[in-house]
Amino acid sequence: AQKITQTQPGMFVQEKEAVTLDCTYDTSDPSYGLFWYKQPSSGEMIFLIYQGSYDQQNATEGRYSLNFQKARKSANLVISASQLGDSAMYFCAMREHNYGGSQGNLIFGKGTKLSVKP
Amino acid sequence: DTGVSQNPRHKITKRGQNVTFRCDPISEHNRLYWYRQTLGQGPEFLTYFQNEAQLEKSRLLSDRFSAERPKGSFSTLEIQRTEQGDSAMYLCASSTTDHPGLAGGSTDTQYFGPGTRLTVL
Repeated sequence: AQKITQTQPGMFVQEKEAVTLDCTYDTSDPSYGLFWYKQPSSGEMIFLIYQGSYDQQNATEGRYSLNFQKARKSANLVISASQLGDSAMYFCAMREHNYGGSQGNLIFGKGTKLSVKP
Repeated sequence: DTGVSQNPRHKITKRGQNVTFRCDPISEHNRLYWYRQTLGQGPEFLTYFQNEAQLEKSRLLSDRFSAERPKGSFSTLEIQRTEQGDSAMYLCASSTTDHPGLAGGSTDTQYFGPGTRLTVL
């Protein structure tokens, strides 16, 4: 079973509008972290935002916010005021803290390709 | 503070040849990870070091793959007898446990390098 599911292979958004990228996860570990990364065509993975499973508040980082719904096991990324430079692949990832003694490697989804239209 | 660097950025080799990639992590980071990313997929974990100790290896890391981090700083990933199925982007990431999250625990955020794209002909 997939641990990270990103159901939107591709998304389009108009410049200056907000967009939500979906991510659901599956874990039985009570302690975990959720991450979003951006990967432009150049290939480098750029860290955007982090949410810990025990965090009471939704994480925010500039134009990025994470809509964390723990009971639904979802961690959607919201990008406000989209810019042309936001066009890229976006990956949701999870790190389980206790599963099988893992020291914290990231498990990634398949990504969502976001295209911002002028 | 410079980010994670990887060399070479691109490598084209013939099947059966050996290749070696290098990763230089962010200087104060004690954890170093290797991932592999094939077209249309997210990165998949290969192996992880804490300082010079290799603490975890994925089942993806066949015996043709070996990774080292001899002095706890840079790391190398070697692939012996390359196969066409080894063609992928190889990503290195580093982290430290010193970044507190909102609830006080460490985020251990991994910062990635630009990757090495391997093509096996």
